[in-house]
Amino acid sequence: AQSVTQLGSHVSVSEGALVLLRCNYSSSVPPYLFWYVQYPNQGLQLLLKYTSAATLVKGINGFEAEFKKSETSFHLTKPSAHMSDAAEYFCAVSERHFGNEKLTFGTGTRLTIIP
Amino acid sequence: EAGVAQSPRYKIIEKRQSVAFWCNPISGHATLYWYQQILGQGPKLLIQFQNNGVVDDSQLPKDRFSAERLKGVDSTLKIQPAKLEDSAVYLCASSRPMALGGTGELFFGEGSRLTVL
Repeated sequence: AQSVTQLGSHVSVSEGALVLLRCNYSSSVPPYLFWYVQYPNQGLQLLLKYTSAATLVKGINGFEAEFKKSETSFHLTKPSAHMSDAAEYFCAVSERHFGNEKLTFGTGTRLTIIP
Repeated sequence: EAGVAQSPRYKIIEKRQSVAFWCNPISGHATLYWYQQILGQGPKLLIQFQNNGVVDDSQLPKDRFSAERLKGVDSTLKIQPAKLEDSAVYLCASSRPMALGGTGELFFGEGSRLTVL
Protein backbone atom coordinates (compact mmCIF):
# COMPACT_ATOMS: atom_id res chain seq x y z
CA ALA A 1 0.00 0.00 0.00
CA GLN A 2 1.16 3.50 -0.75
CA SER A 3 1.66 6.15 1.92
CA VAL A 4 3.39 9.44 2.61
CA THR A 5 4.83 10.85 5.81
CA GLN A 6 5.19 14.58 6.29
CA LEU A 7 7.67 15.49 9.00
CA GLY A 8 6.53 18.49 11.01
CA SER A 9 2.90 19.46 11.23
CA HIS A 10 3.87 23.10 11.71
CA VAL A 11 6.79 24.99 10.20
CA SER A 12 7.57 28.67 10.78
CA VAL A 13 10.08 30.64 8.75
CA SER A 14 10.93 34.30 8.49
CA GLU A 15 9.99 36.24 5.39
CA GLY A 16 12.87 35.91 2.91
CA ALA A 17 14.22 32.72 4.49
CA LEU A 18 14.45 29.26 2.94
CA VAL A 19 11.33 27.11 3.06
CA LEU A 20 11.84 23.35 3.47
CA LEU A 21 8.89 21.00 3.89
CA ARG A 22 9.70 17.31 4.21
CA CYS A 23 7.93 14.37 2.63
CA ASN A 24 8.86 10.69 2.55
CA TYR A 25 6.88 8.15 0.59
CA SER A 26 6.27 4.43 0.50
CA SER A 27 5.09 2.72 -2.66
CA SER A 28 5.31 -0.78 -4.06
CA VAL A 29 5.62 0.53 -7.62
CA PRO A 30 7.36 3.58 -9.12
CA PRO A 31 5.27 6.47 -7.83
CA TYR A 32 3.91 9.71 -9.09
CA LEU A 33 4.38 12.35 -6.39
CA PHE A 34 2.56 15.62 -5.86
CA TRP A 35 2.58 18.68 -3.66
CA TYR A 36 -0.70 20.49 -3.16
CA VAL A 37 -1.36 23.76 -1.33
CA GLN A 38 -4.55 24.66 0.51
CA TYR A 39 -5.44 28.20 1.49
CA PRO A 40 -8.11 28.77 4.20
CA ASN A 41 -11.60 27.74 3.15
CA GLN A 42 -10.44 26.66 -0.28
CA GLY A 43 -9.84 23.40 -2.10
CA LEU A 44 -6.44 21.96 -2.94
CA GLN A 45 -4.33 23.48 -5.69
CA LEU A 46 -1.49 21.65 -7.41
CA LEU A 47 1.97 23.13 -6.77
CA LEU A 48 4.04 20.60 -8.68
CA LYS A 49 4.27 16.95 -9.64
CA TYR A 50 6.88 14.29 -10.34
CA THR A 51 5.96 11.82 -13.07
CA SER A 52 9.28 10.04 -13.75
CA ALA A 53 10.86 12.68 -15.97
CA ALA A 54 13.38 15.09 -14.39
CA THR A 55 14.03 14.44 -10.72
CA LEU A 56 14.10 18.18 -9.93
CA VAL A 57 10.63 19.52 -10.50
CA LYS A 58 9.74 23.19 -10.64
CA GLY A 59 6.25 24.35 -9.76
CA ILE A 60 4.24 27.50 -9.34
CA ASN A 61 5.07 30.41 -7.03
CA GLY A 62 8.81 29.62 -7.00
CA PHE A 63 8.50 26.21 -5.35
CA GLU A 64 10.50 23.16 -6.40
CA ALA A 65 10.98 19.60 -5.20
CA GLU A 66 13.55 16.90 -5.78
CA PHE A 67 12.71 13.22 -6.13
CA LYS A 68 15.34 11.07 -4.40
CA LYS A 69 14.63 7.39 -4.88
CA SER A 70 17.45 6.25 -2.58
CA GLU A 71 15.97 8.28 0.27
CA THR A 72 12.31 7.78 -0.76
CA SER A 73 11.90 11.52 -0.35
CA PHE A 74 10.23 14.37 -2.19
CA HIS A 75 10.97 17.48 -0.13
CA LEU A 76 9.50 20.86 -1.11
CA THR A 77 11.68 23.96 -1.10
CA LYS A 78 11.52 27.66 -1.89
CA PRO A 79 14.61 29.87 -1.65
CA SER A 80 12.86 32.92 -0.23
CA ALA A 81 9.58 32.82 1.68
CA HIS A 82 6.85 35.35 1.00
CA MET A 83 3.96 36.26 3.27
CA SER A 84 1.54 34.87 0.68
CA ASP A 85 3.10 31.39 1.10
CA ALA A 86 1.33 30.95 4.44
CA ALA A 87 -0.95 27.95 3.90
CA GLU A 88 -1.30 24.20 4.46
CA TYR A 89 0.84 21.98 2.25
CA PHE A 90 0.08 18.36 1.42
CA CYS A 91 2.33 15.75 -0.12
CA ALA A 92 0.60 12.97 -2.02
CA VAL A 93 1.54 9.75 -3.78
CA SER A 94 -0.24 8.08 -6.65
CA GLU A 95 0.40 4.58 -7.78
CA ARG A 96 0.51 4.14 -11.51
CA HIS A 97 -2.17 1.58 -12.22
CA PHE A 98 -3.69 2.69 -15.49
CA GLY A 99 -7.36 3.36 -15.18
CA ASN A 100 -7.20 3.47 -11.40
CA GLU A 101 -5.05 6.37 -10.33
CA LYS A 102 -5.60 7.21 -6.69
CA LEU A 103 -3.91 9.84 -4.52
CA THR A 104 -2.99 9.13 -0.91
CA PHE A 105 -2.27 12.28 1.08
CA GLY A 106 -0.02 13.01 4.01
CA THR A 107 -1.30 14.73 7.14
CA GLY A 108 -0.16 18.14 5.98
CA THR A 109 2.28 20.84 7.11
CA ARG A 110 1.04 24.27 8.12
CA LEU A 111 3.51 26.92 7.00
CA THR A 112 3.61 30.20 8.93
CA ILE A 113 5.63 33.15 7.67
CA ILE A 114 7.06 35.50 10.27
CA PRO A 115 7.28 39.13 9.13
CA GLU B 1 -12.41 25.75 -18.55
CA ALA B 2 -14.77 25.61 -15.62
CA GLY B 3 -13.46 23.97 -12.46
CA VAL B 4 -15.03 21.39 -10.18
CA ALA B 5 -18.27 22.74 -8.72
CA GLN B 6 -19.57 21.74 -5.30
CA SER B 7 -22.61 22.69 -3.25
CA PRO B 8 -23.51 23.62 -0.65
CA ARG B 9 -20.33 25.29 0.66
CA TYR B 10 -21.52 25.10 4.25
CA LYS B 11 -24.06 22.95 6.07
CA ILE B 12 -24.95 22.70 9.74
CA ILE B 13 -27.15 19.84 10.92
CA GLU B 14 -27.93 17.99 14.12
CA LYS B 15 -26.79 14.45 14.71
CA ARG B 16 -29.03 11.77 13.24
CA GLN B 17 -30.19 14.13 10.50
CA SER B 18 -29.33 13.55 6.85
CA VAL B 19 -27.36 15.68 4.39
CA ALA B 20 -26.44 15.53 0.72
CA PHE B 21 -23.58 17.10 -1.18
CA TRP B 22 -23.41 17.63 -4.92
CA CYS B 23 -20.43 17.72 -7.25
CA ASN B 24 -20.07 18.55 -10.93
CA PRO B 25 -16.62 17.60 -12.28
CA ILE B 26 -14.62 19.21 -15.04
CA SER B 27 -16.10 18.40 -18.42
CA GLY B 28 -14.55 15.28 -19.92
CA HIS B 29 -13.07 13.98 -16.67
CA ALA B 30 -14.13 10.37 -16.36
CA THR B 31 -12.81 9.85 -12.85
CA LEU B 32 -14.48 11.44 -9.84
CA TYR B 33 -13.40 11.26 -6.22
CA TRP B 34 -14.93 12.16 -2.87
CA TYR B 35 -12.48 12.88 -0.07
CA GLN B 36 -13.18 13.59 3.60
CA GLN B 37 -10.90 16.11 5.31
CA ILE B 38 -11.21 16.29 9.08
CA LEU B 39 -9.77 19.39 10.70
CA GLY B 40 -6.01 19.07 11.07
CA GLN B 41 -5.74 15.99 8.87
CA GLY B 42 -5.03 15.22 5.24
CA PRO B 43 -7.81 14.31 2.84
CA LYS B 44 -8.96 10.69 3.03
CA LEU B 45 -10.47 8.99 -0.01
CA LEU B 46 -14.06 7.89 0.54
CA ILE B 47 -15.03 6.74 -2.94
CA GLN B 48 -13.70 6.80 -6.50
CA PHE B 49 -15.83 6.53 -9.66
CA GLN B 50 -14.74 5.77 -13.19
CA ASN B 51 -17.61 7.05 -15.35
CA ASN B 52 -20.66 5.72 -13.44
CA GLY B 53 -18.92 2.68 -11.92
CA VAL B 54 -17.34 2.46 -8.47
CA VAL B 55 -13.59 1.78 -8.57
CA ASP B 56 -12.84 1.98 -4.85
CA ASP B 57 -15.17 2.45 -1.90
CA SER B 58 -13.14 0.53 0.65
CA GLN B 59 -13.04 3.44 3.12
CA LEU B 60 -16.66 4.52 2.75
CA PRO B 61 -18.71 3.86 5.94
CA LYS B 62 -21.48 2.13 4.04
CA ASP B 63 -23.84 1.93 7.00
CA ARG B 64 -24.36 5.70 6.79
CA PHE B 65 -22.65 7.03 3.67
CA SER B 66 -23.76 6.52 0.10
CA ALA B 67 -22.71 8.02 -3.21
CA GLU B 68 -23.89 7.80 -6.75
CA ARG B 69 -22.90 9.01 -10.19
CA LEU B 70 -25.80 7.78 -12.23
CA LYS B 71 -25.05 9.35 -15.62
CA GLY B 72 -21.29 9.38 -15.30
CA VAL B 73 -21.15 13.14 -14.86
CA ASP B 74 -22.24 14.78 -11.62
CA SER B 75 -22.31 12.97 -8.29
CA THR B 76 -24.09 13.10 -4.95
CA LEU B 77 -22.69 12.05 -1.57
CA LYS B 78 -25.23 11.40 1.17
CA ILE B 79 -24.86 10.89 4.90
CA GLN B 80 -27.75 9.39 6.85
CA PRO B 81 -27.84 9.47 9.82
CA ALA B 82 -25.02 11.90 10.58
CA LYS B 83 -22.76 11.51 13.59
CA LEU B 84 -20.68 14.12 15.38
CA GLU B 85 -17.49 12.63 13.94
CA ASP B 86 -18.74 13.30 10.40
CA SER B 87 -17.95 16.99 10.88
CA ALA B 88 -15.42 17.64 8.13
CA VAL B 89 -14.88 19.20 4.73
CA TYR B 90 -16.02 16.98 1.89
CA LEU B 91 -13.87 17.53 -1.17
CA CYS B 92 -14.79 16.46 -4.66
CA ALA B 93 -12.09 16.02 -7.27
CA SER B 94 -11.93 14.88 -10.86
CA SER B 95 -9.28 13.73 -13.28
CA ARG B 96 -8.73 12.41 -16.77
CA PRO B 97 -7.45 8.82 -16.67
CA MET B 98 -3.83 8.44 -17.75
CA ALA B 99 -4.91 5.91 -20.34
CA LEU B 100 -6.83 8.77 -21.96
CA GLY B 101 -4.08 11.34 -21.78
CA GLY B 102 -4.33 12.40 -18.17
CA THR B 103 -1.30 13.28 -16.04
CA GLY B 104 -2.40 11.83 -12.72
CA GLU B 105 -3.31 15.28 -11.41
CA LEU B 106 -6.55 15.66 -9.47
CA PHE B 107 -8.51 18.89 -9.75
CA PHE B 108 -10.38 19.81 -6.57
CA GLY B 109 -13.49 21.79 -5.83
CA GLU B 110 -13.64 24.24 -2.94
CA GLY B 111 -15.29 21.69 -0.67
CA SER B 112 -18.45 21.43 1.40
CA ARG B 113 -17.96 22.08 5.10
CA LEU B 114 -20.24 20.01 7.32
CA THR B 115 -20.81 20.75 10.99
CA VAL B 116 -22.78 18.17 12.98
CA LEU B 117 -24.12 19.41 16.34
